[in-house]
Amino acid sequence: AQTVTQSQPEMSVQEAETVTLSCTYDTSENNYYLFWYKQPPSRQMILVIRQEAYKQQNATENRFSVNFQKAAKSFSLKISDSQLGDTAMYFCAFMSGGSNYKLTFGKGTLLTVNP
Amino acid sequence: ETGVTQSPTHLIKTRGQQVTLRCSSQSGHNTVSWYQQALGQGPQFIFQYYREEENGRGNFPPRFSGLQFPNYSSELNVNALELDDSALYLCASSLGTWTVDNYGYTFGSGTRLTVV
Repeated sequence: AQTVTQSQPEMSVQEAETVTLSCTYDTSENNYYLFWYKQPPSRQMILVIRQEAYKQQNATENRFSVNFQKAAKSFSLKISDSQLGDTAMYFCAFMSGGSNYKLTFGKGTLLTVNP
Repeated sequence: ETGVTQSPTHLIKTRGQQVTLRCSSQSGHNTVSWYQQALGQGPQFIFQYYREEENGRGNFPPRFSGLQFPNYSSELNVNALELDDSALYLCASSLGTWTVDNYGYTFGSGTRLTVV
């Protein structure tokens, strides 16, 4: 079974600065997908960024980028130019390429952006 | 384009009772997945419905059951409620079961269930 570990329960950052959230995972598969989701107080899960394991290039979406280290099974999220609206819970998630319907989530990191 | 709508938003039930949670999928989506998010935890996959049939199930007992209707809306039923069933229940819809190829799920805002 796959597991996803987020070792930082809480983090804080000053507005406009950069912060990195950590995620490690465990799997024996070679084909899989990784995601970062954001959950604001509204409770709705919002997809931030995704990475296909077969792609060596790290995914980027505007201020959000990942550092995907397949051999180390590490998938960190970097948020640049942090904004107050980035305050939320962030979840790292894994999906198997063989049965791609189920997301396995980590426990989350609460990110607070301070003015 | 409407998003995923869940009802009710909050619910309080007594241990041993039964509960039904409802989810309307995003327009154009035919697949619904349910997740349980306990306090301080990440969501856990309960099951998925595709074209009115269960397409996959997580590690949840049979007292967790579901339905999907011809309009692709869905219900999650939980019988014999236990205190540990207190959680946020999230519904997510997608187009087809190949969620990654279709850029993933659209989540609703959840139903907060409290069992006392």
